[in-house]
Amino acid sequence: QQQVKQSPQSLIVQKGGISIINCAYENTAFDYFPWYQQFPGKGPALLIAIRPDVSEKKEGRFTISFNKSAKQFSLHIMDSQPGDSATYFCAAASNDYKLSFGAGTTVTVRA
Amino acid sequence: DTEVTQTPKHLVMGMTNKKSLKCEQHMGHRAMYWYKQKAKKPPELMFVYSYEKLSINESVPSRFSPECPNSSLLNLHLHALQPEDSALYLCASSQGSQGRRRETQYFGPGTRLLVL
Repeated sequence: QQQVKQSPQSLIVQKGGISIINCAYENTAFDYFPWYQQFPGKGPALLIAIRPDVSEKKEGRFTISFNKSAKQFSLHIMDSQPGDSATYFCAAASNDYKLSFGAGTTVTVRA
Repeated sequence: DTEVTQTPKHLVMGMTNKKSLKCEQHMGHRAMYWYKQKAKKPPELMFVYSYEKLSINESVPSRFSPECPNSSLLNLHLHALQPEDSALYLCASSQGSQGRRRETQYFGPGTRLLVL
């Protein structure tokens, strides 16, 4: 049973466009929400993370929005570039070492 | 430095072979993890070591045997694997101090394993 639901499964965006990936969770014990970026043949790399006391966090072109009451969070990639083409995983954690990953979203940025 | 290194990068083994995967980190992290990742799927947790002691085993078959010789090293010993065990094996580490078990996990590049 997947504890974090992620959508869409894949998306295609034109260079300069906005990519939006959504995640939802049920477990209210989750209190740490990282996003990982993974290129083919590489390990996941932390992109940005948020805790539930913050509603938005921005790092460069990447923004996480967090809605605690709806138990939803999303990643926005602004001004998408071809180098952003990768698989993105949202995740959630409580205090037990375990990361619950979403199913992943493959983003393709067309030049 | 947030680097986790893994060797080898690629491994091909037969079902009767014994091999080992190696992971190393020098960030002073006290929690280390093994994950298995199939193509187009998220990583699946296999084992967690905390302060060199096995903390979590996610019901992994005994043909996978983890070992943590010291706080910087993590091994995964493989024996009598099946073709369905072919996957990318990822190592990760995190600070792992008491009360901070949800801190960022840093992943290595993985070992691509093919079982014939």
